Order: sequence, then structure tokens, then C-alpha cells
Amino acid sequence: GAVVSQHPSRVICKSGTSVKIECRSLDFQATTMFWYRQFPKKSLMLMATSNEGSKATYEQGVEKDKFLINHASLTLSTLTVTSAQPEDSSFYICSATIRGPASTDTQYFGPGTRLTVL
Amino acid sequence: AQSVTQLGSHVSVSEGALVLLRCNYSSSVPPYLFWYVQYPNQGLQLLLKYTSAATLVKGINGFEAEFKKSETSFHLTKPSAHMSDAAEYFCAVSAPGFFSGGYNKLIFGAGTRLAVHP
Repeated sequence: GAVVSQHPSRVICKSGTSVKIECRSLDFQATTMFWYRQFPKKSLMLMATSNEGSKATYEQGVEKDKFLINHASLTLSTLTVTSAQPEDSSFYICSATIRGPASTDTQYFGPGTRLTVL
Repeated sequence: AQSVTQLGSHVSVSEGALVLLRCNYSSSVPPYLFWYVQYPNQGLQLLLKYTSAATLVKGINGFEAEFKKSETSFHLTKPSAHMSDAAEYFCAVSAPGFFSGGYNKLIFGAGTRLAVHP
């Protein structure tokens, strides 16, 4: 149980184009999903929290207009990188949260999406 | 503020030897602690979690971790390393009341790359 998928797994695009990444919780409903960015050989950097039916909460320093997040249903969140530039090339990982007792949330991660911007 | 320090960015062990990956945390409130494993070009898989129940936590693949409040540590161990254990390991801390958009967010350590040699 607690499987999270991401699509696509890899994408290569030209500078200036927009890229959409999907994150789905396959066997559970997730009112909250998180989007992370991981640079090579580095840890995960939280970009934003995606809440179903409401606006995403972005971390300090993350451009809202650059990274558009939509959480249209309890099982799907999307991250759109707008006007992608080479510096946006990275590994993007999403997670979906299952709430436990006494706020003991557990995050389950997707397999990641490798974005390369030429 | 919450933080995590993983001592040793690289750990190398022989197959069959003890695995010890160190994690120290800082938290102003009782923490919830997690260990995740990441294989190359994949997302994170939950190994185990501590949520204020038993201090010795058993996880998947033979791993376990012990929460020691006096030492603010949550080290990950496995009695006998397997070649398949070679991966990147991340320790993370969450805490009640440390919210991002309403749900607890995770703060990750820098990661420890485990190499297992024959």
C-alpha cells in the first residue's frame, strides 16, 4: 500500500517551454502532497506544499509564478515548470501524506522526474 | 528550529559487516524521526519511523534504529550488510506544530551514501 506515482519519469525540453509533472497517490487519498527538488548528490529541498482544493504553500525563495502547483483531486497534484530554463534542470520528487494519530504524518514518495532543459 | 545532521557523507562496509549510519537531530519539541532510502534515479522509500512509541524501531530489510533522547540521536543499524543495501540514506525530522500548509513538513539531513563491497 501507499504507492505514489509520477509521470513522466524523464523529460527533455527546450528553453522557454512549459513542462507539467503529475503526482498521483494510487491506493490512498492524500489531501496534502509535497514537491521537492533534488540537486545531484544533494539532499531534498522542499519547494511547496500542495493542498487539495486550495492554493499551494511555497517555501521561501521558490517562485510561485515559475512553479505552478495544482491539486485538483485527492489523488492528483501537478507541478508545471513555466518557461523552463537550463537552471531548472533537476530531479523533482513528490510525496503524498497519510495522517496518523496525534499528527504523526508519514510521507510516501514518488519515483521522481528527471527534467533536463536544453 | 528543527535540523538534522548526518555524520559521514560516505560509509563503506564489507558484505556481512555491521552497518551504522549516524543521525543527530535538533528539535525544540518532541520529534518524529524517519529514515528513508534512495536508490539511483528513484524516489525515497520509507525504511522506518519513530513516533514516540517504542524507542527501538524495526523497519524493512532488516534495518532498525534507536531513539536516544539524551544523545539526540537516531542512528540506523543493520547487523549484516547486503550488496543490495548500497544506496543513499536520509534521516529526517518532523515535529508536531511545525507546519507547512497545515501538515508537518520534513527536514532532511544531507544524506549518507552507503557502499557495500564483497
